[in-house]
Amino acid sequence: DAGVIQSPRHEVTEMGQEVTLRCKPISGHDYLFWYRQTMMRGLELLIYFNNNVPIDDSGMPEDRFSAKMPNASFSTLKIQPSEPRDSAVYFCASSFGTHVAEAFFGQGTRLTVV
Amino acid sequence: DAKTTQPNSMESNEEEPVHLPCNHSTISGTDYIHWYRQLPSQGPEYVIHGLTSNVNNRMASLAIAEDRKSSTLILHRATLRDAAVYYCILRDSGSNDYKLSFGAGTTVTVRA
Repeated sequence: DAGVIQSPRHEVTEMGQEVTLRCKPISGHDYLFWYRQTMMRGLELLIYFNNNVPIDDSGMPEDRFSAKMPNASFSTLKIQPSEPRDSAVYFCASSFGTHVAEAFFGQGTRLTVV
Repeated sequence: DAKTTQPNSMESNEEEPVHLPCNHSTISGTDYIHWYRQLPSQGPEYVIHGLTSNVNNRMASLAIAEDRKSSTLILHRATLRDAAVYYCILRDSGSNDYKLSFGAGTTVTVRA
């Protein structure tokens, strides 16, 4: 397996534009996590899914953020409209649903909103 | 959720052991201790986990105190490639919650 695949790796957009980040989890994993990392706040969990169903979205900062998982092999995180404070590295991770399961992270998407 | 406390930073010389402490005084009996690390410009990666007994794998060893209120990640011979932020995380096996909650971690610097 190629691991967790995120795209794009880098995104630069203007304030007010819609941004869509994509993630392909490892095949067979039933949990998918979206994280955001900034210098100020570290790694924050935004939302996670179990079998394509959102379980906990309490970390999603505001209504401008939305996430979907239409099938087991694809998830998106959308920001509309984007703001400069959304600039961060966004990571997607997947794992099996056990407390000893290793979570595998993608390489991240570095988002810059100007 | 039980919390962990780690030093902000540690330095080591190459090929010397590194002992990374983690305090988790409010740990419950069902909490697993997980360690992840994040190399520069990469996503976090799994290192090791344990419950009560000490654990070894190809990357590191995990020493867990008898009362489980603290643990130590041991890198036996640090290399330059081990320079990273190391996170100590608790996961409650008594819940249906499988998320990983990251703190600030310990930034490890390895001197050549």
